[in-house]
Amino acid sequence: DGGITQSPKYLFRKEGQNVTLSCEQNLNHDAMYWYRQDPGQGLRLIYYSQIVNDFQKGDIAEGYSVSREKKESFPLTVTSAQKNPTAFYLCASSTHPGQGAGSNQPQHFGDGTRLSIL
Amino acid sequence: QKEVEQDPGPLSVPEGAIVSLNCTYSNSAFQYFMWYRQYSRKGPELLMYTYSSGNKEDGRFTAQVDKSSKYISLFIRDSQPSDSATYLCAILINQFYFGTGTSLTVIP
Repeated sequence: DGGITQSPKYLFRKEGQNVTLSCEQNLNHDAMYWYRQDPGQGLRLIYYSQIVNDFQKGDIAEGYSVSREKKESFPLTVTSAQKNPTAFYLCASSTHPGQGAGSNQPQHFGDGTRLSIL
Repeated sequence: QKEVEQDPGPLSVPEGAIVSLNCTYSNSAFQYFMWYRQYSRKGPELLMYTYSSGNKEDGRFTAQVDKSSKYISLFIRDSQPSDSATYLCAILINQFYFGTGTSLTVIP
């Protein structure tokens, strides 16, 4: 089955620790995205990538980093600089990159990773 | 001002009712809009998407846009308990903008 796989489902971070969230897709999509979902705030864009080896900051990139070495994979690292990391993190992909962080096709989402502070 | 705003609810209806979910938007230049359904502890699942100029029907679901009022709406006919979820609207301008979601409960 084609889809987007996020792992782990739950993750705990200690003070001063970097953690990496995995996102893999087998949909052959060019564009991939990371969002953060907090209660009452909706989805906020962290980073996006329209093509391998290229990525751009979204609206709330501070304290996060990404890489896009393969088309199928777009891991997100939550660094110790992110002071409020507790949230539900969602990875998405779409077929055709568009202007900026857009696309002329809708996004499809993984089932998320819930990150909490220990 | 946010690009898209959505009443968080919660909304509770009896089984079989018609449900109306709405979002308001501020930028008339959006290209198309989408509705997602999100169950608890899951990612959003795409329900419908349609271009800014048109409405769309798919089974029990109808997506509409009212440009004069700057509303996008999702109607659910013959609502079922399995429709209980959070519904997110989204529009595309130069990136995707999402509403905060409306929590819906359909009571058997």
